[in-house]
Amino acid sequence: QKEVEQNSGPLSVPEGAIASLNCTYSDRGSQSFFWYRQYSGKSPELIMFIYSNGDKEDGRFTAQLNKASQYVSLLIRDSQPSDSATYLCAVLIYNQGGKLIFGQGTELSVKP
Amino acid sequence: GAGVSQSPRYKVAKRGQDVALRCDPISGHVSLFWYQQALGQGPEFLTYFQNEAQLDKSGLPSDRFFAERPEGSVSTLKIQRTQQEDSAVYLCASSLAAVGAEQYFGPGTRLTVT
Repeated sequence: QKEVEQNSGPLSVPEGAIASLNCTYSDRGSQSFFWYRQYSGKSPELIMFIYSNGDKEDGRFTAQLNKASQYVSLLIRDSQPSDSATYLCAVLIYNQGGKLIFGQGTELSVKP
Repeated sequence: GAGVSQSPRYKVAKRGQDVALRCDPISGHVSLFWYQQALGQGPEFLTYFQNEAQLDKSGLPSDRFFAERPEGSVSTLKIQRTQQEDSAVYLCASSLAAVGAEQYFGPGTRLTVT
C-alpha cells in the first residue's frame, strides 16, 4: 500500500462546477497536509495546507481533513479552464523529518 | 521576493558523465529539500538540509548521488556516472522553518541521460 494515494484521473468537470479531489494516507503519524497544483511542464505550486480536522477555505479552494478516516480532500468551486492541471496531495510526518510524501497526483480537466 | 531558482533548467548527459545541479533557495529559508520526479508520478524525496547540515539522505537512490550545502544557502546535487534511469526532473524546495513549514519549489532541472 502506498503511503499517499490519489486517483490518477483524469477527472473531468464542466466549467463552473465543483471539482472534488481526494487523497488517503496510511500513516496515522501524518500531521500536516498540503495540496500542490502542477501545470504540465512546470513545478508544483502550493495551493493550501491544513493541519487540523475540519475545513479550511481560501477563495475558491476548500481543504477538508478527517484524521480518523485518514482522508484529505480539496474542493474547487466555480472551476475554470485555468484550473486544469495535476493536483498533488502531500503529507508531512514530523518523526520522519521535514520531507513531504506525495501521492501520484490527480489530473483535472475543466471543460468550457 | 525572488523564489527558488535552479540551474541548469535542462541538462543532457551521456551515460557515464557526471552532472551537477544547483539550487538557490529563498533568502532566509532554513530548510532545503531535493526531490526527484519521474513522468506521471509525484515527487519523491531525495535529501534534506537544515542550514548546512544534511539531516536526511535516506532517499538518495545510490552512492552515485551526493548533495551538499556548505554555507547553508546554495545547494548542489551531484550525480556521478549517470545512468539512463537517472533521467527525471530534479526539484529543489525550501522552507522557512526547520520542520513542518510550507515548502516552495523551484522550476526544476530536467535531466536526460542518453
